[in-house]
Amino acid sequence: DAGVTQSPTHLIKTRGQQVTLRCSPKSGHDTVSWYQQALGQGPQFIFQYYEEEERQRGNFPDRFSGHQFPNYSSELNVNALLLGDSALYLCASSLVGQTTYNEQFFGPGTRLTVL
Amino acid sequence: AQKVTQAQTEISVVEKEDVTLDCVYETRDTTYYLFWYKQPPSGELVFLIRRNSFDEQNEISGRYSWNFQKSTSSFNFTITASQVVDSAVYFCALSELLSGNTGKLIFGQGTTLQVKP
Repeated sequence: DAGVTQSPTHLIKTRGQQVTLRCSPKSGHDTVSWYQQALGQGPQFIFQYYEEEERQRGNFPDRFSGHQFPNYSSELNVNALLLGDSALYLCASSLVGQTTYNEQFFGPGTRLTVL
Repeated sequence: AQKVTQAQTEISVVEKEDVTLDCVYETRDTTYYLFWYKQPPSGELVFLIRRNSFDEQNEISGRYSWNFQKSTSSFNFTITASQVVDSAVYFCALSELLSGNTGKLIFGQGTTLQVKP
């Protein structure tokens, strides 16, 4: 039973560029959440996708956008990269209706460095 | 406002010592869930324990135990007989039903635990 997978593992970009991160949820899960974790900080909720729609969004600018595909996998896109976007981006999957009380399963993350 | 505070930034213990990680939360919701996650150097967050707001019974699971007190809004986590493999960053997190029942997690800043041999 495959867990949550993310790609790529590491990514280096320059300011102003655009980046796409990918996530495949745990088998049987239909909901994907994205978190940003800056160095030395706790993860912060970016948004959640269910049924190919953004279900909830955290306090992040419109430069951050996402998509969910029919197979439940998801992408996180960040436009006009800033130095402050350098962070570990974590994907978490869960089952809708069970998200509040069930643990979310996290992937290993994508380490994004913006130069 | 929702908030999770982990006042301990770093803790260092010697193997076999017991260690308690502190967590204080703020919420306006009456139904919420509290979690502890472990983040080893690999980066992946690993679920450890969960508690809901209606169950203040403290429990022990192996070397892990937790103390949930609504009166002080605290959810402390104890590792008994610590081992070197317990070295990691530990996060306390809050999920509120009022936040749309999406399971959005609000994390604390994390506590880095170092267990020395």
